[in-house]
Amino acid sequence: RKEVEQDPGPFNVPEGATVAFNCTYSNSASQSFFWYRQDCRKEPKLLMSVYSSGNEDGRFTAQLNRASQYISLLIRDSKLSDSATYLCVVNLAYGGATNKLIFGTGTLLAVQP
Amino acid sequence: NAGVMQNPRHLVRRRGQEARLRCSPMKGHSHVYWYRQLPEEGLKFMVYLQKENIIDESGMPKERFSAEFPKEGPSILRIQQVVRGDSAAYFCASSPFVTENTEAFFGQGTRLTVV
Repeated sequence: RKEVEQDPGPFNVPEGATVAFNCTYSNSASQSFFWYRQDCRKEPKLLMSVYSSGNEDGRFTAQLNRASQYISLLIRDSKLSDSATYLCVVNLAYGGATNKLIFGTGTLLAVQP
Repeated sequence: NAGVMQNPRHLVRRRGQEARLRCSPMKGHSHVYWYRQLPEEGLKFMVYLQKENIIDESGMPKERFSAEFPKEGPSILRIQQVVRGDSAAYFCASSPFVTENTEAFFGQGTRLTVV
């Protein structure tokens, strides 16, 4: 079983649509969670951290369910500029001894005009 | 404050040659991470270093690959006797310290092509 699993997509949605991505992780010792965005042939960039209480940043909402080892990202009112690969990331940080980000393979989003 | 700088951006090597990839972390960052991204695949952790120390190299292939982060100068990822399967994008990231929610900032990557 992969450490972090995501549906690779592609998700083809019209502008203005709401789209949700899901991610599961296998290591219950995982400490922190993130969504990164990667544009074609570019470096990954942090989109948002994911907290147990859920967090929202504009059109983006992230949720974490530790009991189910499940992370989600919701994008409302999709824009053409949201087209990218969204990477689910888990940090195996054991009390500061190591800081290892484990990436999912990513979900490709294509927003259509 | 310049971001994470990687060079070269593109590197072409013949099979059997050595590849040296360099990474200068952001100013004030003492933690460096290397990741490899194969075509159409996700990023794979390779190694985590602090100045003069390898902290976690669990993702490094056992042979031909080595990494260092000296007291002075950039971090170096070295691949000896490259093979076609080494062709990939190699990303370096840095962070200022290690806590559970530390953000890692990525460089633009080095695209290695082995011919």
